[in-house]
Amino acid sequence: EVVMTQSPLSLTVTLGQPASISCWSNQSLLYSDGNAYLTWFQQRPGQSPRRLIYTVSKRDSGVPDRFTGSGSTTDFTLKISRVEAEDVGVYFCMQGTHWPPTFGQGTKVEVK
Amino acid sequence: QVQLQESGPRLVKPSQTLSLTCAVSGVSITSGVYYWSWIRQPAGKRLEWIGRVYPSGSTNYNPSLKSRVNMSVDTTKNQFSLKLNSVTAADTGFYYCSRGDYWGQGILVTVSS
Repeated sequence: EVVMTQSPLSLTVTLGQPASISCWSNQSLLYSDGNAYLTWFQQRPGQSPRRLIYTVSKRDSGVPDRFTGSGSTTDFTLKISRVEAEDVGVYFCMQGTHWPPTFGQGTKVEVK
Repeated sequence: QVQLQESGPRLVKPSQTLSLTCAVSGVSITSGVYYWSWIRQPAGKRLEWIGRVYPSGSTNYNPSLKSRVNMSVDTTKNQFSLKLNSVTAADTGFYYCSRGDYWGQGILVTVSS
């Protein structure tokens, strides 16, 4: 199965400052239809995962525009332009191109 | 608004079968081109996709669990189910049902005698 690797595993960000999380796959995530099925989730403490970004860069409804996804093939990035207190939680990337879908280890984001 | 809610026993004995149901509200389970999935999160480990079921009843399972998993859908009750047999302590964790964009709140299942 495809192995997803995230970096860093932990991140402390000053309120209002940017944050960036990287995600790599050990295989190309480019599907035959031209899309890369890379998804980002946010899991706030005590909550279930919430989808933020799908197909690399498409933002879900209600997701603030400070969240941006980018990348291609095997290297992907989630950026938060200005971190807010509500952004505390664990962020996961997931590939859906190859069966079974697989997740990164998660990146814990704390805000100071 | 689409909502998913997991239910089932929170304590299962080793070697027995874990059975969970996901009740879907706010949308028909047969609408659109969606599939319905089960995902789990063992304590301290990364999320693991268990499998998915289509409204037709067609399924795809994670090869690592395929020999022990069965999923089904009940369109009359607008719900879908998971059965995982021959459980061990390694199957302990949070279990989530999901449509991909919507997730249930999760249910903690413990395998212990």
